Amino acid sequence: EVQLVESGGDLVQPGGSLRLSCVVSGFTFSNYWMTWVRQVPGKGLEWVGNIRQDGGDKNYGGSVRGRFTISRDNSKNSLYLQMNSLRADDSAVYFCARDVRATGAHDYWGQGTLVTVSS
Amino acid sequence: QSALTQPASVSGSPGQSITISCTGTSTDVGGYNSVSWYQQHPGKVPKLLIYEVTDRPSGISSRFSGSKSGSTVSLTISGLQAEDEADYYCSSYSSTPPSYVFGSGTKVTVL
Repeated sequence: EVQLVESGGDLVQPGGSLRLSCVVSGFTFSNYWMTWVRQVPGKGLEWVGNIRQDGGDKNYGGSVRGRFTISRDNSKNSLYLQMNSLRADDSAVYFCARDVRATGAHDYWGQGTLVTVSS
Repeated sequence: QSALTQPASVSGSPGQSITISCTGTSTDVGGYNSVSWYQQHPGKVPKLLIYEVTDRPSGISSRFSGSKSGSTVSLTISGLQAEDEADYYCSSYSSTPPSYVFGSGTKVTVL
């Protein structure tokens, strides 16, 4: 069974940093692009960024580029999102998702982890 | 990048067909076939319905179909059922800079 489990969400002050993790199981992690998506409760989905199978190619959405960094450790079946210079509008549920080949579509999602940026 | 444009809401009666549009530009929807559609029920995780404009993942009902014309893609739900009441999002590759963008979302109501 494919599973993705996010962790690391927390309450953090504006300007602070946070690192999210996503541990996967049930598939060969190193074969897939992986993506982070976020959603403010009650609002729409926002694409955060993705990373290639070997970690050598990463792309980011405009609102997080330069502040967030995606990485992965294929030996640990883990995906990470390092978030720096956090702002109030970064508050959201963060999902990790597996991509369908190189299509940019996401066929499996985690349950999400909540990040709240507030003083 | 701006979100792709979707109607805020679409409604239909059981058994009817409805179509949700998703409009972008030549640098995203109009230029690439990396377009997907998701269904999200309240409090649930998004579910992939369509990828690469028209392809359905295994297990997705044939009542869901996708199409594209120019810079607009569409999701059609035929034989509308009560369980189809949910939020629907499109997503597309965007080239400047390389990234993906979601649509604004459409709430489907089954009357």
